[in-house]
Amino acid sequence: DIQMTQSPPSLSASVGDRVTITCRASQGISDYLAWSQQRPGKVPKLLIYAASILQSGAPSRFSGNGSGTDFTLTISSLQPEDVAIYYCQHYNGAPWTFGQGTKVEIK
Amino acid sequence: VQLVQSGAEVKRPGASVKVSCKATGETLSSHGISWVRQAPGQGLEWMGWISAYSGNTLYAQKFQGRVSMTTDTSTNTAYMELRSLKSDDTAVYYCARCSGGSCYFNSFDPWGQGTLVTVSS
Repeated sequence: DIQMTQSPPSLSASVGDRVTITCRASQGISDYLAWSQQRPGKVPKLLIYAASILQSGAPSRFSGNGSGTDFTLTISSLQPEDVAIYYCQHYNGAPWTFGQGTKVEIK
Repeated sequence: VQLVQSGAEVKRPGASVKVSCKATGETLSSHGISWVRQAPGQGLEWMGWISAYSGNTLYAQKFQGRVSMTTDTSTNTAYMELRSLKSDDTAVYYCARCSGGSCYFNSFDPWGQGTLVTVSS
C-alpha cells in the first residue's frame, strides 16, 4: 500500500500569512494527488486534484504543486475561514489512502 | 450533483448496518462511488468502491468478507452494508462520487453529508 505522510501535523499562523503543507508518498504516484479541506464538523471538500488543478469554486489563494512523491499545498494569504484539517490523498490505484491530516489554526 | 445519505444508526455489536447514498441532479450509472469512513477524532479511511455502471466492486483488504457495496440504478442510490459490527466500527461513513466513470485515476467529489454509525452494547 502507498503511505501518505503529511507535515506538519498542525500549524498555527496569522491571518494573511503564507502557509505550506507537505505530503510525501511512499512511492511514485505521478500527479494522482488530491487535497481536501475538512472544516470543523463538516464534510471533506475537494480543493485540488491532479496535484495542481484548483477545483471549481475553490478560492484562488489555494495552490498545489508536485509530482512523483513530493507535493505541497499552499495558502497564499491565510483567512479565518481556512481553519480546517487538510488531507492529501492519492488515487493512483487501490487502495486509495489519505495522509493523516494537517490541522490549520489561526494564531 | 448532490449525494444524500441515510440517517444516523445505533447498532449492537455483531449486527449489520446498511447505509444509503442517493444521487440527485445526475445519473449515478455513469460514475463510481467510493465509501470512506472517519472514526471520532480520526482521519479518513477508504473502504472500497463500486462502479454504478458495471456493478464491479473493489474492497479494502481490511473489510473483505464483511462489507458489500451495491447500487440500484432505478432509484439512483448506492448502498454500503457492513456486517459483524464491532465497537471500533463506530464512525461517520461517507459516500463520494468518483469524478470519472471509475474511481481509478479520479478524485472524489462531491461527498455525501455522512452517516454516523454508533456500535454499542
